[in-house]
Amino acid sequence: QSVLTQPPSVSGAPGQRVTISCTGSSSNIGAGFHVHWYQHLPGTAPKLLIYSNTNRPSGVPDRFSASKSGPSASLAITGLQAEDEADYYCQSFDSSLSGYVFGTGTKVTVL
Amino acid sequence: DVQLVESGGGLIQPGGSLRLSCAASGFTITSHYMSWVRLAPGKGLEWVSVMHSAGKTLYADSVRGRFTISRDISENILYLQMNSLRVEDTALYYCVREGFGSSWSKYFDTWGQGTQVTVSS
Repeated sequence: QSVLTQPPSVSGAPGQRVTISCTGSSSNIGAGFHVHWYQHLPGTAPKLLIYSNTNRPSGVPDRFSASKSGPSASLAITGLQAEDEADYYCQSFDSSLSGYVFGTGTKVTVL
Repeated sequence: DVQLVESGGGLIQPGGSLRLSCAASGFTITSHYMSWVRLAPGKGLEWVSVMHSAGKTLYADSVRGRFTISRDISENILYLQMNSLRVEDTALYYCVREGFGSSWSKYFDTWGQGTQVTVSS
């Protein structure tokens, strides 16, 4: 069971901006643990997209950005492209569970 | 190049056991925290277990007491021994490397391609 809540799906036309929310609690995001984001295309390994709340690994386009506020975080994709169609997961650490937690996942569809 | 290659998955009956292996190359597994993460059909990613650099281990509630994470330092291989398997353990199991974040920043920077475990009678 996921302790971080994401919308099941979001969609947008090519070129548009979409955002994905990630809501946690006082034992994970709200406690100060950083939020990280992954992109998962079916049949491939998940890919680290954003780490430590706002940082992009080398090679990730600046169309992807993220923010964190209180017990929540969000991922934004600007200039949406067909290749962005994938599942996206947020992830953090939970002090009550003493373990890593993932979001419920959001499927991004490019219309 | 940094690479993780999993193996050992397969079809197993409920109550059975399997041992997954993760061969790492391009780095030493003792220099990073190493985890197993799974993706069940129709569900999201779920963290399973971690082994710290110093050898400390943690488990998700869903597998504690049934799964054991270990490593062979000489071979640079991470293992996941899975006992008393249940139908709900059916998933694609990924070996993942944790990045060098702070104690507040724990993220997975490298993923293997995964190995499929199917528990069914």
